[in-house]
Amino acid sequence: EPEVTQTPSHQVTQMGQEVILHCVPISNHLYFYWYRQILGQKVEFLVSFYNNEISEKSEIFDDQFSVERPDGSNFTLKIRSTKLEDSAMYFCASRDSSNQPQHFGDGTRLSIL
Amino acid sequence: AQSVAQPEDQVNVAEGNPLTVKCTYSVSGNPYLFWYVQYPNRGLQFLLKYITGDNLVKGSYGFEAEFNKSQTSFHLKKPSALVSDSALYFCAVRDSDRDDKIIFGKGTRLHILP
Repeated sequence: EPEVTQTPSHQVTQMGQEVILHCVPISNHLYFYWYRQILGQKVEFLVSFYNNEISEKSEIFDDQFSVERPDGSNFTLKIRSTKLEDSAMYFCASRDSSNQPQHFGDGTRLSIL
Repeated sequence: AQSVAQPEDQVNVAEGNPLTVKCTYSVSGNPYLFWYVQYPNRGLQFLLKYITGDNLVKGSYGFEAEFNKSQTSFHLKKPSALVSDSALYFCAVRDSDRDDKIIFGKGTRLHILP
């Protein structure tokens, strides 16, 4: 069964540095998402992306965050200047049509030092 | 705004017994409802969904859930629990009339006791 693939599995970065998290969604999917899960807390929506533009974003997704689909397969999340509170598990998800569920990757654990 | 409540942080069930993990939701429009399971150090794995149609939906690994519109509930059930069902379970809702994002509950940790 096709999967959403995320790399790296664990990223350690110094506070203030830029970080890029990588995702390869399922190949025929059209809608892409990023969520995050701070340790011990619920999964929170960050952003959705369709037709090469952001369709919705949460309050968490401020000017420090950006997403990009640089080619036909990758979907990246960039955090420009990381803060300690950005430490979390970041999940990428994708889906095909309107009634279908989102399929999630295994996540990237981001640790900000 | 939509929300999901999972009232139990943890549910303990003996192997072979039926299990229920509770979920209630709040949306202003028509709900799309989902259950996901998370195993340690893994992502969220889709179990089942309710979009429309029969209120009882069947999903992966013998799980099922019943949509109850009057009680705004979508409880997850399984007739006979396995030790391997032990994991973290998330209920989620999407307001299909408004937007695309999924709102998750805080999760319920299910322990199946051998």
